[in-house]
Amino acid sequence: QKEVEQDPGPLSVPEGAIVSLNCTYSNSAFQYFMWYRQYSRKGPELLMYTYSSGNKEDGRFTAQVDKSSKYISLFIRDSQPSDSATYLCALKGGSEKLVFGKGTKLTVNP
Amino acid sequence: NAGVMQNPRHLVRRRGQEARLRCSPMKGHSHVYWYRQLPEEGLKFMVYLQKENIIDESGMPKERFSAEFPKEGPSILRIQQVVRGDSAAYFCASSPVREDTQYFGPGTRLTVL
Repeated sequence: QKEVEQDPGPLSVPEGAIVSLNCTYSNSAFQYFMWYRQYSRKGPELLMYTYSSGNKEDGRFTAQVDKSSKYISLFIRDSQPSDSATYLCALKGGSEKLVFGKGTKLTVNP
Repeated sequence: NAGVMQNPRHLVRRRGQEARLRCSPMKGHSHVYWYRQLPEEGLKFMVYLQKENIIDESGMPKERFSAEFPKEGPSILRIQQVVRGDSAAYFCASSPVREDTQYFGPGTRLTVL
């Protein structure tokens, strides 16, 4: 079983839709949870950073962590064509290295 | 405040040559991390360094790969005798302290002919 599982998609939605992106993990040692956005041929850009169960909101983005189910989510409200990118979940615990999911490729169609 | 800087952005090497990738962390950041992204794969941790110290190299291949972060100057990831399988995007990240989030650079795309 992989440490972090993320559906690679691709995911295609119309502009204005609510997008739900998810990762599951198997290692209970993970305590820090991040979402990065990566545009094609660019470096990952940090979107959200949480370290506890529950919700964290930042503008149109909401990160949700359920440690009991080992499940994390990122919701994007009112999606825009500029949100088209690959979204990576990243987890950390027990060491400083980030363990990434493979990423979900999202396309928001105008 | 400049972000993490990496150079070169693109590097082409022939099999058997050496590749040197450079990373300058964000101002005030003393922790540097290297990750590799193979085509159609996720980012994989390679090594974590502080100034003059390698803290965790559990993700580094045992041969041909080395990293350093000298007291002065950028962090260097060196790949000796490159092979086609080394072709990938190499990303550097930095953080100000431990247990803080990591900020990524734009990456160096290595192509081995």
